[in-house]
Amino acid sequence: DARVTQTPRHKVTEMGQEVTMRCQPILGHNTVFWYRQTMMQGLELLAYFRNRAPLDDSGMPKDRFSAEMPDATLATLKIQPSEPRDSAVYFCASGLVRGQPWVGELFFGEGSRLTVL
Amino acid sequence: DQQVKQNSPSLSVQEGRISILNCDYTNSMFDYFLWYKKYPAEGPTFLISISSIKDKNEDGRFTVFLNKSAKHLSLHIVPSQPGDSAVYFCAASASSNTGKLIFGQGTTLQVKP
Repeated sequence: DARVTQTPRHKVTEMGQEVTMRCQPILGHNTVFWYRQTMMQGLELLAYFRNRAPLDDSGMPKDRFSAEMPDATLATLKIQPSEPRDSAVYFCASGLVRGQPWVGELFFGEGSRLTVL
Repeated sequence: DQQVKQNSPSLSVQEGRISILNCDYTNSMFDYFLWYKKYPAEGPTFLISISSIKDKNEDGRFTVFLNKSAKHLSLHIVPSQPGDSAVYFCAASASSNTGKLIFGQGTTLQVKP
C-alpha cells in the first residue's frame, strides 16, 4: 500500500528553535511538493521538486525556510528560526508527472502539525 | 493573490439531499481541475477531476461541472451521506508538465443524518 510518509506528526516548539519536517514520497514518483494549510489561504504551495531538483520555492519565506531533497526517498522542510506565525499543518505530496498536458493526481501525506509557542 | 477561490467556508445539508460546492478561478491558463476531500487529522485525498476540454465529469455520486467562460466549477454530491462530511478543496493546474496544483481555501461540508 504505497503512501507518502511524513514525520513528525506533531511538533510543539518554542519560538526561535529550529524545526525539521521529513517526507518519504511514494517510490517511483518524480515530483514532490510541500504545502501548508492555513485557515485563510487554504493549502498554500511552499516549494516543489522534480527528480530532486528544486523547481519553485517562491511560496516560502526565504529568510527562514529551506527545502531540500537529499535523495529520492527523502524530502526535508526546515524552519530556522521558527516563529508563532509558522504554526500550521505542513503537507508533503508526491506525484508521477510526465506527459503534456499532465492530468494525474497528487498523493498527500497525513501532515505534520507544527505549534510554535 | 488568490487564484482559486472557494467563497463558502461551510455548507450544511440534510442526508439524501444534493450538496453543491463551488469554486472560482482567475487564471485563464488553468485547464485542469481537481477536487480533494480531507478528513480531520488526515491528508487530502483525490476525489474527481476534469479537463478543460470537457464541461462535465461524473463518478458515482460525484459530478464536477466546468464553466470556462465564467471561470467557475462546481462539485455536486447526490445523494449526500453523513460520511461525506469533510473539507473539500478545489485545485487547478495550468497546461504544462509541472504538476503544480493551486488550491482554494476549502469548504467544510456537514451532512446531517
